[in-house]
Amino acid sequence: GAVVSQHPSWVICKSGTSVKIECRSLDFQATTMFWYRQFPKQSLMLMATSNEGSKATYEQGVEKDKFLINHASLTLSTLTVTSAHPEDSSFYICSASRDRTQPQHFGDGTRLSIL
Amino acid sequence: GQQLNQSPQSMFIQEGEDVSMNCTSSSIFNTWLWYKQDPGEGPVLLIALYKAGELTSNGRLTAQFGITRKDSFLNISASIPSDVGIYFCAGRGNEKLTFGTGTRLTIIP
Repeated sequence: GAVVSQHPSWVICKSGTSVKIECRSLDFQATTMFWYRQFPKQSLMLMATSNEGSKATYEQGVEKDKFLINHASLTLSTLTVTSAHPEDSSFYICSASRDRTQPQHFGDGTRLSIL
Repeated sequence: GQQLNQSPQSMFIQEGEDVSMNCTSSSIFNTWLWYKQDPGEGPVLLIALYKAGELTSNGRLTAQFGITRKDSFLNISASIPSDVGIYFCAGRGNEKLTFGTGTRLTIIP
């Protein structure tokens, strides 16, 4: 069964809206979670590493003020796309692993469409 | 960001055929992972490889961690319709994953 849950699965909203996506580890605690973005017919690109109790680490070229990450508990990380615009439309996926030696498991993704 | 070279980019096969795909990198990885992604869903882990030279099977799937730690391959034997999807390799150095460009598998009726 799923070990990482992501919500919502699909969001359609107007340009300028802020959108929050949740990622939960279901049966384990995750001090680290990861957020990816995937454009159609492309691979997954890591956006940021979410660290419980501390600031997220962003990959080069990802705007931290645009993509706010909060990892407030050991089972929940949130990604907020602030003032979203059509170019932010994409498939956002989170992942988590039980510890550094275990493989990452992925949520089912959130399809974000900005009109 | 960096991506791993994965080939072939796409495959069109008949049901029952065997499939082989591989992934190469210019960097060394400590772990190689293979995932399958269906449309509109997140990747699902198929096989994890932790040691250079390791050969691991999961049902009809077999994957190997290259001796140089810079490559890996995935084989699928006797393909069935539910094997359709996109397969991604991923290399892990520290905690982060670097993904391959993907192999799209299509089964011709």
